[in-house]
Amino acid sequence: QVQLVESGGGLVKPGESLRLSCAASGLTFNDYYMTWIRQAPGKGLEWLSYISGSGSTIYYADSLEGRFTISRDNAKNSLYLHMSNLRVDDTAIYYCAADYGASYFFDTWGQGTLVSVSS
Amino acid sequence: SYALTQPPSVPVSPGQTASITCSGENLGNKDVCWYQQKSGQSPVLVIFQDNVRPSGVSERFSGSNSGNTATLTISGTQALDEADYYCQVWDTSAVVFGGGTKLTVL
Repeated sequence: QVQLVESGGGLVKPGESLRLSCAASGLTFNDYYMTWIRQAPGKGLEWLSYISGSGSTIYYADSLEGRFTISRDNAKNSLYLHMSNLRVDDTAIYYCAADYGASYFFDTWGQGTLVSVSS
Repeated sequence: SYALTQPPSVPVSPGQTASITCSGENLGNKDVCWYQQKSGQSPVLVIFQDNVRPSGVSERFSGSNSGNTATLTISGTQALDEADYYCQVWDTSAVVFGGGTKLTVL
């Protein structure tokens, strides 16, 4: 079955950088558009970024102010999120999720990885 | 930017029908999907394209979308349905989520 496993979360200080990974299995990875979504403690879901199967089309939430970069390596069945200049309010669980064929809904989610930003 | 509005909480008695609304401008012109998120778990897709259930989702879940409002309906609500529910659409190069509704089974 389709499985997504995030990694790379942890405790960092404000201003530092971090790269999250999402390993996909059980699917033809380049058929799937992929997205990153986060959830701050006790809060709702917040969309961050979306990338096409080939990686040629990318969208970002305006709120990120250019601090985050999404990428993928289809040869490794992996999705990435590079986060720079992290702030305390970036503290959240970060989920990757899969969208088959640009349907714009996500039928497979990972378990999430926790990013904590604190001095 | 586009916005979706959900009520923060909806109470329901066991066995009754729960309706969770999601409002947005001309929402009926967009495809709406719904996610269920139980405490400590990842979200799960329960409805897509307004009213389509993914394989494995209970028939008790149904959806509708018209005008400015989409509705997720859960019939014969059970204790296991207690969760947060989020609506979501795609709008002009962005994924948009509603703020979420906590369904409480009393």
